Amino acid sequence: GEDVEQSLFLSVREGDSSVINCTYTDSSSTYLYWYKQEPGAGLQLLTYIFSNMDMKQDQRLTVLLNKKDKHLSLRIADTQTGDSAIYFCADLLAGFSGGYNKLIFGAGTRLAVHP
Amino acid sequence: KAGVTQTPRYLIKTRGQQVTLSCSPISGHRSVSWYQQTPGQGLQFLFEYFSETQRNKGNFPGRFSGRQFSNSRSEMNVSTLELGDSALYLCASSFGGAYGYTFGSGTRLTVV
Repeated sequence: GEDVEQSLFLSVREGDSSVINCTYTDSSSTYLYWYKQEPGAGLQLLTYIFSNMDMKQDQRLTVLLNKKDKHLSLRIADTQTGDSAIYFCADLLAGFSGGYNKLIFGAGTRLAVHP
Repeated sequence: KAGVTQTPRYLIKTRGQQVTLSCSPISGHRSVSWYQQTPGQGLQFLFEYFSETQRNKGNFPGRFSGRQFSNSRSEMNVSTLELGDSALYLCASSFGGAYGYTFGSGTRLTVV
């Protein structure tokens, strides 16, 4: 089946940039997402990228997509302590009955920001 | 606008019992999906409903079921609870999948 992989842990200093990486196996992937989860909370949609794009920027967030290598990354500029959370990469799979209806998640990358 | 609302937030049940979880999607969203999150298996897709019809189902036993009402609210039911069903159950709604899914805060189910 389709799979999404992420490194499990990243530690950065406050003010530095963070780069979280993700690889996926779905050859027909159309939309890829980044979600953030803080302790005790649900998932917050941060940003998404369509497969015909190479890059998308949204304030401090930059998403890069290398479709040939099936590699996705999320760069957070000027990382703050409030960015400490688990970040999930997700691939949207089209359902058999039509329409888009299933997200495949990576295991999540725990980002720790220290002073 | 109001987000996705899941009730209850926490639940403790005994092995063998059944449980019903509720999800109210964002107004106008017709797609509702359910996911199970556990430390060991991560986030796994349970099922998706669109206009009261189940469109897709994940690889879970028949003890897990769901339904969607005409107002798009959804419920999921787990019968004959097992210890391994302890998890955070997340509901997500969407106008259309490509626009992204908005998740609720989840229901944390503990089976003892």
